Amino acid sequence: KAGVTQTPRYLIKTRGQQVTLSCSPISGHRSVSWYQQTPGQGLQFLFEYFSETQRNKGNFPGRFSGRQFSNSRSEMNVSTLELGDSALYLCASSSGTGLTDTQYFGPGTRLTVL
Amino acid sequence: EDQVTQSPEALRLQEGESSSLNCSYTVSGLRGLFWYRQDPGKGPEFLFTLYSAGEEKEKERLKATLTKKESFLHITAPKPEDSATYLCAVSNGATNKLIFGTGTLLAVQP
Repeated sequence: KAGVTQTPRYLIKTRGQQVTLSCSPISGHRSVSWYQQTPGQGLQFLFEYFSETQRNKGNFPGRFSGRQFSNSRSEMNVSTLELGDSALYLCASSSGTGLTDTQYFGPGTRLTVL
Repeated sequence: EDQVTQSPEALRLQEGESSSLNCSYTVSGLRGLFWYRQDPGKGPEFLFTLYSAGEEKEKERLKATLTKKESFLHITAPKPEDSATYLCAVSNGATNKLIFGTGTLLAVQP
């Protein structure tokens, strides 16, 4: 089974721009979660989508948004980029049918904001 | 507030020198505790899920155990390829959100 894929792998943007990241989950998985990883804060939960609906949301500003398509693929958007948004953005997929599902992570998208 | 603390922050071992990593947690109703391994520049790789106190799971040189307050990841006779950051996370079951510790950076020298 193919794993979770994320595109692009690397991005360089400047402050004020916006960016869209993409995630394709493991086949059959309906839940996609997004996390931000930084050296200072570690891994922090952004949001989770299940069946095209945002099911949970972390404590991030409204500049961070996402969506999920009918094929379970998900996109995450960050508008008005700030220097502090530089991070590794990780997508994780799970079956979504239970609250203790194991989440499988993709390789991440490294975003650098200049 | 749900919280996960991992110790030590960094650990250097000689090849073959066994040791343990600690993950202590405070969570309102533990539904699952997860161990992941992360190599530099890559996403976390799933290792184990533990659901209840007393549970143990093994995989090659790794063994994870769980009590009501903490989990241990025991590494027996480690090899250099075991060098990585080991992350612990918990789920409280109210959501699918994972709460992560800051990880233990393990370096195994030949």
